[in-house]
Amino acid sequence: DIQMTQSPSYLSASVGDRVTITCRASQSIRRYLNWYQQKPGKAPKLLIYAASTLQSGVPSRFSGGGSGTDFTLTISSLQPEDSATYYCQQSFSTRYSFGQGTKVEIK
Amino acid sequence: EVQLVESGGGLVKPGGSLRLSCVASGFTFKNAQMNWVRQGPGKGLEWVGRIAIKADGGTTDYMTPVKGRFTISRDDSKNTLYLQMNSLKTEDTAVYYCTTDGHRVPAACDFWGQGTRVTVSS
Repeated sequence: DIQMTQSPSYLSASVGDRVTITCRASQSIRRYLNWYQQKPGKAPKLLIYAASTLQSGVPSRFSGGGSGTDFTLTISSLQPEDSATYYCQQSFSTRYSFGQGTKVEIK
Repeated sequence: EVQLVESGGGLVKPGGSLRLSCVASGFTFKNAQMNWVRQGPGKGLEWVGRIAIKADGGTTDYMTPVKGRFTISRDDSKNTLYLQMNSLKTEDTAVYYCTTDGHRVPAACDFWGQGTRVTVSS
């Protein structure tokens, strides 16, 4: 099975900061990488698919990059509503797997 | 508007069984591959399994810890997805979400239900 590792597990940043989360796969997954946002008590929401394509309605301050084994999710200017946990997920294997999550807190 | 509504969660003893349902609306369910994803208390997301559409054989796949204990099925006439869970263990305690799989975007869980909580405890 493909293992997904995110870093950091937690980060605290100020409004307006540029924030980057990384996700590493245990083997090449080409660009089969998705990002989700989850707020407390809510279902996850798809943010980015195929490594860098923004889901409809997602603000342009979110961007994704990478290929192979190393990927990033960047928030260019952190907003209060971005406080959430973010998960990467590989869909290269038919058995999907998620990273352990990164909790983003606003200072 | 795509809607997924899960039900059937509750408290069950270890070794017991439970069947979850997910009723879909707002899209052509029979043309949608579907997943179950779970989240243990205070934990991250875990993909549980998937069922293909009937036209692709309706095949299923599961994460290793639930293989042989959980069964995913679908009733396209009722727009309903099921998760039959047998031989439940305390580690199966989680909120269970149904999701579409690649419905409007490729190879992603693009729509999610609100989840149903399963607690396995004596």
